[in-house]
Amino acid sequence: QVQLQESGPGLVKPSETLSLTCTVSGDSVSNNYWSWIRQPPGKGLEWIGSIHSSGSTNDNPSLKNRVRMSIDASRNQFSLRLSSVTAADTAVYYCARLLYSSGILLDHWGQGTLVPVSS
Amino acid sequence: DVQMTQSPSSLSASVGDRVTISCRTSQSINNYLNWYQHKPGKAPKFLIYAASSLQSGVPSRFSGSGFGTDFTLTISNLQPEDFAIYYCQQSYSPPYSFGQGTKLEI
Repeated sequence: QVQLQESGPGLVKPSETLSLTCTVSGDSVSNNYWSWIRQPPGKGLEWIGSIHSSGSTNDNPSLKNRVRMSIDASRNQFSLRLSSVTAADTAVYYCARLLYSSGILLDHWGQGTLVPVSS
Repeated sequence: DVQMTQSPSSLSASVGDRVTISCRTSQSINNYLNWYQHKPGKAPKFLIYAASSLQSGVPSRFSGSGFGTDFTLTISNLQPEDFAIYYCQQSYSPPYSFGQGTKLEI
């Protein structure tokens, strides 16, 4: 059974870089694509971006080139770095497995981790 | 970018009811539409892809339909575990945007 678990700091200061890691079990990060999604308090879901072990990435232009994603196959993890954060980046961040099938789909998700941005 | 409009934003229903949630897109996306169920504090659950194909293990009381710009999620014979927030997502082109969500409550 595929399982994903997000981990990262509990709090990030404005203008700093938010860093999160997703640990995958039941599948290899060398297979498929992997994705990040977030949900600000009281708002809907926002797709952040996706990455493949080949290095191919795709991210949301609304985040204005602040996103960097990477994969560590030796640890079966993938990571997100979001630079120059503001209070608007406060959200629950989810990682998910992305499959290409009749478009794309996110078939397994982590439970999410809340990252407040505050001084 | 494809804009998503989901309605209603909230919906009250009872166990055994049949409910319908609508999702409209700003441009035609063929049938590239997914549906997810989300309960607070839990991982979102993938329900339907390609507008009408049920993910393995999802109860048959869930169904989806639509093509182009208008899509519908229908839940028949509502069960207590179905009360949650439902999101549509277009899978046609990045960024893969979501609807605003529909909160289904008793």
